[in-house]
Amino acid sequence: KAGVTQTPRYLIKTRGQQVTLSCSPISGHRSVSWYQQTPGQGLQFLFEYFSETQRNKGNFPGRFSGRQFSNSRSEMNVSTLELGDSALYLCASSLLTIDYEQYFGPGTRLTVT
Amino acid sequence: SQQGEEDPQALSIQEGENATMNCSYKTSINNLQWYRQNSGRGLVHLILIRSNEREKHSGRLRVTLDTSKKSSSLLITASRAADTASYFCATDGTGANSKLTFGKGITLSVRP
Repeated sequence: KAGVTQTPRYLIKTRGQQVTLSCSPISGHRSVSWYQQTPGQGLQFLFEYFSETQRNKGNFPGRFSGRQFSNSRSEMNVSTLELGDSALYLCASSLLTIDYEQYFGPGTRLTVT
Repeated sequence: SQQGEEDPQALSIQEGENATMNCSYKTSINNLQWYRQNSGRGLVHLILIRSNEREKHSGRLRVTLDTSKKSSSLLITASRAADTASYFCATDGTGANSKLTFGKGITLSVRP
């Protein structure tokens, strides 16, 4: 089975721009979660989607949004980028059963200048 | 805010030694999981222990869970240079629509 894929792997944007990141989960996984990882704050939960519905949301401003498509692929969008949005964005998929584990993609490294 | 807090923040040992990492959490959990992350890459699931379990083994990994103290430990025996990575504990809460909550991680360096 192919693992979780994320595109693009690296991205450089300037302040004020917007960005869209993509995540393709493992086949059969209907849950996709997004995390932001920075040296200072660690791994912070952004949101989780299951069957095209947002199931959980972290404490991020409304500039961060996401969606999930019928094939379980997910995108997250960040509008009006700020320098502090520079981070590694990780996507993880799971079966969302009892005692589920998450399978992570390699991440998208976003640099905002 | 993170539910799990790992201790120590950084650990440096010699190859062949054992590495012990600790995690404390605050609320009731269904299970606790440990993940490994190699530099700048995605996390890899290592082991899961349920709230009704006290100890679990997987290869060179041994994890314990003490729900009365709300703490867990991960032991890596006979460490190798390839074990150099960051290690995270993650807790799965008991509420509806619970999510995995990760700690800030422990940086393990294994010197050859």
